[in-house]
Amino acid sequence: EVQLEESGGGLIQPGGSLRLSCAGSGSTFSLHWMHWVRQVPGKGPVWVSRINSDGSSASYADSVKGRFTISRDNAKKTLYLQMNSLRADDTAVYYCASGGGHVLYDWGQGTLVTVSS
Amino acid sequence: DIQMTQSPSTLSASVGDRVTITCRASQSINSWLAWYQQKPGKAPKLLMYQASTLETGVPSRFSGSGSGTEFTLTISSLQPDDFATYYCQQYDTSSTFGQGTKVDIK
Repeated sequence: EVQLEESGGGLIQPGGSLRLSCAGSGSTFSLHWMHWVRQVPGKGPVWVSRINSDGSSASYADSVKGRFTISRDNAKKTLYLQMNSLRADDTAVYYCASGGGHVLYDWGQGTLVTVSS
Repeated sequence: DIQMTQSPSTLSASVGDRVTITCRASQSINSWLAWYQQKPGKAPKLLMYQASTLETGVPSRFSGSGSGTEFTLTISSLQPDDFATYYCQQYDTSSTFGQGTKVDIK
């Protein structure tokens, strides 16, 4: 089991940038694919991005491709999501999750990102 | 993109009831389907993957079935802790979640 804690959310103006972090604990952080998933309250979760265990491969949902960048530092057991050119429809709770492929076994508690002027 | 449609959107039930939730995929996803439970203010929790494999620690009153495009999650005898929202997720091609089924108290 991997324990995860997100940080970095907040209120940001449209067009702005924000970097989310996800701190992991446990000795197996570096073995897992890691994901970002977002959820608007009252709606279903939406997968955003994933990165493989050594950080050499990443993929993105079409809605964030070219604007968001996922990365990880296994030595620090930390996952990142750099979010640029933010839009109102990026407003959501952002969760990090560890997975075997796209099955999401462990989740953080989430961090709220609000894009508004 | 593969679309996932859950039914019903809301389900009212009593403790002890047998509850079934359906999830339909817009194209075949073989058995690459997971189910999650979410309670208010909390992250989703994995219940099941590969359509019918129970995650460690999940009570055996939960079961899953289906393949291709139609899947079900069944709770054999609803317990007080089971009132929550349930989501299906396909992971055959990228990842898509359903819109959720809220199980509330009748």
